[in-house]
Amino acid sequence: GNSVTQMEGPVTLSEEAFLTINCTYTATGYPSLFWYVQYPGEGLQLLLKATKADDKGSNKGFEATYRKETTSFHLEKGSVQVSDSAVYFCALRPPGGATNKLIFGTGTLLAVQP
Amino acid sequence: DGGITQSPKYLFRKEGQNVTLSCEQNLNHDAMYWYRQDPGQGLRLIYYSQIVNDFQKGDIAEGYSVSREKKESFPLTVTSAQKNPTAFYLCASSTLRGDFSFGPGTRLTVT
Repeated sequence: GNSVTQMEGPVTLSEEAFLTINCTYTATGYPSLFWYVQYPGEGLQLLLKATKADDKGSNKGFEATYRKETTSFHLEKGSVQVSDSAVYFCALRPPGGATNKLIFGTGTLLAVQP
Repeated sequence: DGGITQSPKYLFRKEGQNVTLSCEQNLNHDAMYWYRQDPGQGLRLIYYSQIVNDFQKGDIAEGYSVSREKKESFPLTVTSAQKNPTAFYLCASSTLRGDFSFGPGTRLTVT
């Protein structure tokens, strides 16, 4: 079946540190891949996405590259800020089919300290 | 501005009572979804609906019910049959192309 595995948190970093949050997936065919961010007490916001192999999604300094060969979509940012503290979810949308369900990983809490 | 409204933000109920969570969207999206969020478990799909008057069970539908009488509205009822109802509930909607929007969530506490 389709599933998403992401690294457990919390991830604690100092401001301006480099961030990597690992995400790997299992799916048949070519799913679309997403990173969502959830700030405390709020819903989810789309951070970036990639819809085919080798695509790179980017937004607000965050990047992730769709790697078909390693079935991965790792999230990176070169220099984190305190305001980046949130829970980050990796998700996939299975290819084709009649529905658009999103399948989520368990989420990774990022805490950035000044 | 278009978006998804969930109300209330916090909800408290006694065990054994049914409770209905509201979800309204003005994005003209065809599909709507309910997810449950628990610490360490990510988001799990409860129910979804692709069209008015039709809906399907997700991965954890037991103890929940929904209706879709209008395109804009997709209320979720948490029944007394749900064993562990305390959670954060997120409503979402999407276009046919699969562009999702999420509501701000309702935190339900049952004691």
